[in-house]
Amino acid sequence: SQQGEEDPQALSIQEGENATMNCSYKTSINNLQWYRQNSGRGLVHLILIRSNEREKHSGRLRVTLDTSKKSSSLLITASRAADTASYFCATDAPSGGSNYKLTFGKGTLLTVNP
Amino acid sequence: NAGVTQTPKFQVLKTGQSMTLQCAQDMNHEYMSWYRQDPGMGLRLIHYSVGAGITDQGEVPNGYNVSRSTTEDFPLRLLSAAPSQTSVYFCASSYRLDTGELFFGEGSRLTVL
Repeated sequence: SQQGEEDPQALSIQEGENATMNCSYKTSINNLQWYRQNSGRGLVHLILIRSNEREKHSGRLRVTLDTSKKSSSLLITASRAADTASYFCATDAPSGGSNYKLTFGKGTLLTVNP
Repeated sequence: NAGVTQTPKFQVLKTGQSMTLQCAQDMNHEYMSWYRQDPGMGLRLIHYSVGAGITDQGEVPNGYNVSRSTTEDFPLRLLSAAPSQTSVYFCASSYRLDTGELFFGEGSRLTVL
């Protein structure tokens, strides 16, 4: 079953604007990750935030995590046409054993118009 | 730097046929996994492995077999293909067993007629 759910499903903005995507999840997590997928390609890791962290930055990316609300947001500042892609959140909720299962949401399709 | 290599990139099968999707990584990663991606469903975990000789089921394992005889290779076998297995399949690996970024292959697009 899907652990993370991204919102919105699709987002269209102009180049230079900021893009914000949200991810909500249901059970407690150890970590939350964000991935990007260009059309027809594999997923690429963007950033990982641990459950004891509230905010993390990487270049033009800013990720926040609110464990009390079970939600995360990904902010891309000063967007470029090359940022056009689908963005997925992934969580590694504990499954009661030593298993490691990363579960992905359905993604947000971001379109950045030149 | 090859990373994670998947073959074939495209495959068309008839219902009932069997085939193997190959996945190889050259990063000495212990953790490897297979996901399928369907429109509107996101990625779903099929099987994963935490080392040679160790495999386990994910969310949607039915109809698929895996084995891990070496650290580098993690093939996914479709035993008797069904139209419901039409999907894009991704292999991924990680250097950590507890948590960490996944490195993905470019995907294998499978169509079952």
